[in-house]
Amino acid sequence: DVKVTQSSRYLVKRTGEKVFLECVQDMDHENMFWYRQDPGLGLRLIYFSYDVKMKEKGDIPEGYSVSREKKERFSLILESASTNQTSMYLCASRVQASYGYTFGSGTRLTVV
Amino acid sequence: KQEVTQIPAALSVPEGENLVLNCSFTDSAIYNLQWFRQDPGKGLTSLLLIQSSQREQTSGRLNASLDKSSGRSTLYIAASQPGDSATYLCAVLLLSRLTFGEGTQLTVNP
Repeated sequence: DVKVTQSSRYLVKRTGEKVFLECVQDMDHENMFWYRQDPGLGLRLIYFSYDVKMKEKGDIPEGYSVSREKKERFSLILESASTNQTSMYLCASRVQASYGYTFGSGTRLTVV
Repeated sequence: KQEVTQIPAALSVPEGENLVLNCSFTDSAIYNLQWFRQDPGKGLTSLLLIQSSQREQTSGRLNASLDKSSGRSTLYIAASQPGDSATYLCAVLLLSRLTFGEGTQLTVNP
């Protein structure tokens, strides 16, 4: 089975800190994605990557950046964390277009 | 813009009941539809993936159907168990964008 691993289940950070959320997949998937999930707003796409060193903005990229230096790893960066970035962050991967998505177990980030 | 609606938003049933969760979408030109399960505070677990050319998929007690022309999918759960309690999400893939419904929160009572 494909495994998507998010390095932290829970994180508490202070306003203004630079935050790194790490995601690693173990099945050579081409595409990787970062979503955030909030009550009443559902899942929203932040950034995605179709290949190494490629990145595309999703629906809500403001305040975030990403890095994909290796195929298996996709990092989400909060340049200066703010309280409105408190959320559940979900990473996903897939082989390529038209294939199903595999999600990680999520990182619950609280910014205080 | 693709919109995905799930009905009902919440459902509570006694153990052993067969049940149906509904998902509808506005743009029928989808590549595929995927059903997920989410336990509280956890990530999404993929249950079933239906490609646009398929009508249904089955896995154990779960059966998902797809009617592209009417923009509908159903997830049928047979002989429900308390362990099935979770939120069920459907998501449709269109133009490389996965769009999610808000989910159905299912509670199966012993």
